[in-house]
Amino acid sequence: KQEVTQIPAALSVPEGENLVLNCSFTDSAIYNLQWFRQDPGKGLTSLLLIQSSQREQTSGRLNASLDKSSGRSTLYIAASQPGDSATYLCAALTGGFKTIFGAGTRLFVKA
Amino acid sequence: EPEVTQTPSHQVTQMGQEVILRCVPISNHLYFYWYRQILGQKVEFLVSFYNNEISEKSEIFDDQFSVERPDGSNFTLKIRSTKLEDSAMYFCASSAHNEQFFGPGTRLTVL
Repeated sequence: KQEVTQIPAALSVPEGENLVLNCSFTDSAIYNLQWFRQDPGKGLTSLLLIQSSQREQTSGRLNASLDKSSGRSTLYIAASQPGDSATYLCAALTGGFKTIFGAGTRLFVKA
Repeated sequence: EPEVTQTPSHQVTQMGQEVILRCVPISNHLYFYWYRQILGQKVEFLVSFYNNEISEKSEIFDDQFSVERPDGSNFTLKIRSTKLEDSAMYFCASSAHNEQFFGPGTRLTVL
């Protein structure tokens, strides 16, 4: 049974800092891994999708990596801004199009 | 930019009543999903739907739940006899191939 874990659960950093959010999954048989952002009381916004055959994806200040063999993905945020404050979720798409989410990392960027 | 829409944004119902949550996926997408998020908890997969049939469902998706694509645009989740523990945010998502795009959610409150 696929389980997805995110560390840390919460993170508070000063503006401008580079940071790394971690996601681990127990079953390496995934189709892809997707990172989302969720603002309080809102829906999920897709940030990056990494296919199982890929190692990383980049979008602006965000870079996500995937290491299937070790069951890990990381989301790197460069030069963090107060507007980056949100909960970041990773999700693994498994067979049958079942998606398993981690519990998220709540990020607070202080101005 | 195309987006997933959901109606209503908030639904209040009495325990034991039936509710139908509606979603309009992005028009050229082929894969459809329902998720729920109980307040303060993880996003949980309910069901995936492709080619007019269920691809995968979770253990949460029991006989009280059903999904339907009644026409070319709508995708619905029906809960037959609501329970207090069904109170949650319900998210619809769609994808063309891999990247999932989420709607803003319907907050269901069961009294």
